Amino acid sequence: GAGVSQSPSNKVTEKGKDVELRCDPISGHTALYWYRQSLGQGLEFLIYFQGNSAPDKSGLPSDRFSAERTGGSVSTLTIQRTQQEDSAVYLCASSETRDSYNEQFFGPGTRLTVL
Amino acid sequence: AQSVAQPEDQVNVAEGNPLTVKCTYSVSGNPYLFWYVQYPNRGLQFLLKYITGDNLVKGSYGFEAEFNKSQTSFHLKKPSALVSDSALYFCAVRDKGSSNTGKLIFGQGTTLQVKP
Repeated sequence: GAGVSQSPSNKVTEKGKDVELRCDPISGHTALYWYRQSLGQGLEFLIYFQGNSAPDKSGLPSDRFSAERTGGSVSTLTIQRTQQEDSAVYLCASSETRDSYNEQFFGPGTRLTVL
Repeated sequence: AQSVAQPEDQVNVAEGNPLTVKCTYSVSGNPYLFWYVQYPNRGLQFLLKYITGDNLVKGSYGFEAEFNKSQTSFHLKKPSALVSDSALYFCAVRDKGSSNTGKLIFGQGTTLQVKP
């Protein structure tokens, strides 16, 4: 079946602009996660959705970052007033449930470059 | 706090030789451990997991990992390396904290280079 998809695959933006990154999880997966992969910080958790609610936003680095999920499916990560330190690969993952024994399936990522 | 460490930034091995990528963890209680592989410009692919039961876990592409509770390790192994195994490997532990969100906590990654 179809895996996790993300769009765009690459995004180049100017400092100060807003960007939206999209994630389509595997159908039926209730848990959705956003991670960020950068050279200096490795792979770090950003936010977790269970259905449409986000009980854990502890990884969002600043209030410029926000995310939503609608219909228990598609999720959008928004970064306002982008900064150069936001440059990274943003990965989305989904899991059948939040149960810890379920593996997460990752999308190909969105590479964000802030000039 | 839960954490995972991969002590080697890079592992080099000749094709046909056995390979080991090391991982140690620090968690309270029983860990749920995972290995993922990332090929260039791709997302992470699940290789295998340890939840409970046998300490030797078999996964995709001929990889296996051994859970060692006394040494708090979960090393990834393969008996005979292929050039196509060259990639970035991540060890991770699933969060079992009070929030119980199931988020993954990753090691810093190890680049595996298999030379022909």
